[in-house]
Parts: sequence; structure tokens; C-alpha cells
Amino acid sequence: GDSVTQMEGPVTLSEEAFLTINCTYTATGYPSLFWYVQYPGEGLQLLLKATKADDKGSNKGFEATYRKETTSFHLEKGSVQVSDSAVYFCALVPGGTSYGKLTFGQGTILTVHP
Amino acid sequence: KAGVTQTPRYLIKTRGQQVTLSCSPISGHRSVSWYQQTPGQGLQFLFEYFSETQRNKGNFPGRFSGRQFSNSRSEMNVSTLELGDSALYLCASSPGDRKETQYFGPGTRLLVL
Repeated sequence: GDSVTQMEGPVTLSEEAFLTINCTYTATGYPSLFWYVQYPGEGLQLLLKATKADDKGSNKGFEATYRKETTSFHLEKGSVQVSDSAVYFCALVPGGTSYGKLTFGQGTILTVHP
Repeated sequence: KAGVTQTPRYLIKTRGQQVTLSCSPISGHRSVSWYQQTPGQGLQFLFEYFSETQRNKGNFPGRFSGRQFSNSRSEMNVSTLELGDSALYLCASSPGDRKETQYFGPGTRLLVL
């Protein structure tokens, strides 16, 4: 079945450090890929998405490129801020007719220290 | 545009009771999906409704059910509550196409005692 694997957390960085959170997937057809972020006590917010191979999603300094050959969608940011501390989820919607079903990775907790 | 709203935000129930959670999607969105979030299992898909019809369903027991009304608002019901049903229940709405982004509400936190 469809699955998403994220790097083990938690990740702890100093402000202005470079961030990479790895995400790989297994899916049928041509999935759409997403990164969501969850701040304490809140729901999920879309961070970025890509719907086909080689697409690059970007938002608020975060980027991720849909790599079909390596089935990956790694999240990167060049310089993190304390306000980026949150839980990050990689997710996919598979190809075909699987409506409305996001499959999520286990989440990666990011803590950024001043 | 107003976001996805969920009511109530917090709920405490005892084992054996039933509970109904409500979700109002973004105006114009016709698809509503429900997810359960727990520390142990993470985020798991419950079901999705579009134009009052269930289009997709996850692997949850029949105690978990839902419905959607003609105004796209959705409710989810859990009968005969178990301790393991304690979780954050999230709903998400989208226009309805498979590849479109789902927008999440703040969730309802259910505690079963």
C-alpha cells in the first residue's frame, strides 16, 4: 500500500542553521506530495506541495522537489528561525481514484534555539 | 474567506458513550475528510465525503461513521466509545478534485475516561 517515511526526529537546530527533513514514499500511480506543519495546539497548515515529477514547491523560505527517480520529497530551508519550531508532516495523495485520502509520515519535531 | 471550523474544540466522555463532532468546510468546498491523530498511530484517514456521498473510507471499525449535509457541513459519530478513541480529530476540506489541497480545521480533542 501507500506509505510515507520521514527521518527520525526530533531535530534540534540553532537559529540560522540549514534544515533538511528527509521524506521518501511508496505509492501507486503518480501521487501528489505535500508538506504540512503543525504548531502546538493547532491543526495542520499546508506548507508547500508538488503535483508532478520535478516540480518544486516553495513557501516561506522552505523548498521541496518531487523526485520520482528516488521517490523522495525532502524539505529544506536555508536559514531557520525560532518561529519555525513545529512538527512537520510529509504526505501524499496517490494516483488513481483515491479521493480525499492523505497518507502521512510519522512527523518530525523541529526545535530551533536562539 | 473563513477557514474550516470544528465544534466542539474539547470533549470529555466516558467509555460506552457516543459522541458527534461537527465540521464546517471553507465556503465552496464540497469535499470533507476526517482524520484521527494519536501519539502512537500518528495521522490516520477515517473517511471522505463529497456531495453527501462517502467516496473513500479508511480502516476503522463500524463504530466510526459520518455523514455530509447538502450545505457540505459534515458530522462524524463514534458510538460505544473506548479508551483508545482518545485523540485529536481533524477535518479537512477541499474543492473535491483528487489533487487539490486539503485545508485543515483546528481539531476536536476527545478524551475518553
